[in-house]
Amino acid sequence: EVQLVQSGAEVKKPGESLKISCQGSGYSFTNYWIGWVRQMPGKGLEWMGIIYPGDSDIRYSPSSQGQVTISADKSISTAYLQWNNLKASDTAMYYCARQRVNSGWSSFDYWGQGTLVTVSS
Amino acid sequence: DIQMTQSPSTLSASVGDRVTITCRASQSISNWLAWYQQKPGKAPKLLIYKASTLESGVPSKFSGSGSGTEFTLTISSLQPDDLATYYCQQYKSYSRTFGQGTKVEIK
Repeated sequence: EVQLVQSGAEVKKPGESLKISCQGSGYSFTNYWIGWVRQMPGKGLEWMGIIYPGDSDIRYSPSSQGQVTISADKSISTAYLQWNNLKASDTAMYYCARQRVNSGWSSFDYWGQGTLVTVSS
Repeated sequence: DIQMTQSPSTLSASVGDRVTITCRASQSISNWLAWYQQKPGKAPKLLIYKASTLESGVPSKFSGSGSGTEFTLTISSLQPDDLATYYCQQYKSYSRTFGQGTKVEIK
């Protein structure tokens, strides 16, 4: 069974750093792109970026470029989303999701349960 | 970036109604479009990909159509369990974008 399990909720202060994780299981982690999606409170879905764990090819959305870092450790089947300088506006639910096919671009067929990040002084 | 616009933003319908949601792309995306359902407090769920292909396990009451710049998601007979927000997403390139969502309410 394919599963993506994300790390738990976080409460941070502005200016702090954070790294959240998404561990895949039940499939070949290195062969499928993993994307990150943000959902601010009461708002819609925003695609942030995507990584291919096999060779760490990473693509960012224009709005996420320079704001976050996406990475992966294929030895433990885990993808990461990292901030170095959190802002209150980073408060949101963050989802990881697996791309449905392992070549070309496709929809997301499996999703993590979400990680709630709260940034408040 | 390709912009995706959904209409309506909110839809209120009765149990048993046929419901249609529209998604328009700012440029042609061929059939590189997916539809997701997000119930309150839950992660999104893939319903349809390639504009009209039903994801495995999704009830056949959901259907998708369209190509180019205009797409529709239809729920053939609305049920209370369909209460959710529905999103379209284009994936013509790596820089995929979502529509703003359509909230479906039951009258």
